[in-house]
Amino acid sequence: EAQVTQNPRYLITVTGKKLTVTCSQNMNHEYMSWYRQDPGLGLRQIYYSMNVEVTDKGDVPEGYKVSRKEKRNFPLILESPSPNQTSLYFCASSLVGLAVTDTQYFGPGTRLTVL
Amino acid sequence: AQTVTQSQPEMSVQEAETVTLSCTYDTSENNYYLFWYKQPPSRQMILVIRQEAYKQQNATENRFSVNFQKAAKSFSLKISDSQLGDTAMYFCAFMKRGSGTASKLTFGTGTRLQVTL
Repeated sequence: EAQVTQNPRYLITVTGKKLTVTCSQNMNHEYMSWYRQDPGLGLRQIYYSMNVEVTDKGDVPEGYKVSRKEKRNFPLILESPSPNQTSLYFCASSLVGLAVTDTQYFGPGTRLTVL
Repeated sequence: AQTVTQSQPEMSVQEAETVTLSCTYDTSENNYYLFWYKQPPSRQMILVIRQEAYKQQNATENRFSVNFQKAAKSFSLKISDSQLGDTAMYFCAFMKRGSGTASKLTFGTGTRLQVTL
């Protein structure tokens, strides 16, 4: 089954304790992206990657890191989480190119609470 | 930069009735996509419908259809024969389309739709 998976689905942590949220897709997509969802703000892009070893900042990158060492994986790293990073996080992926529709497929979301 | 505006924070519709969700956007681009995503209580983001800006014909997917007015930069979603399972948050989203590239989705703030008996 074609899908985007995220782990963990729920996480409660404390300020300053490094954490990683994993994202994996099995559709051979080049493009992967992280969004955060906050009430009243919709979803906002954190980082994205056009392909292996190619990453770039989105609209709200502060406090986050990413890496893309393999095509299927795109982990989100919070090296020193703070309470303002409490949010619902989504990973998404899509194909890249003129002949495709660029529809982005989303993972199930990760609910992160930073105390 | 692109912006997407959903001016209806909440809406309610009775089962089997029709409801229209509004979305406007602002862009200087000519080549782009517009999307409606549904987010039920499970929080999963589900693609409802997609519209390519160069197509004049409005997209339709079963009970879901759009009214795409490019000049007015308007992209409304019509849900016909509403069902209880349509209860969800609906997000309108914009994506610029470029040669050989993929681009971010710019989302509106969402409309919470409640379908009642």
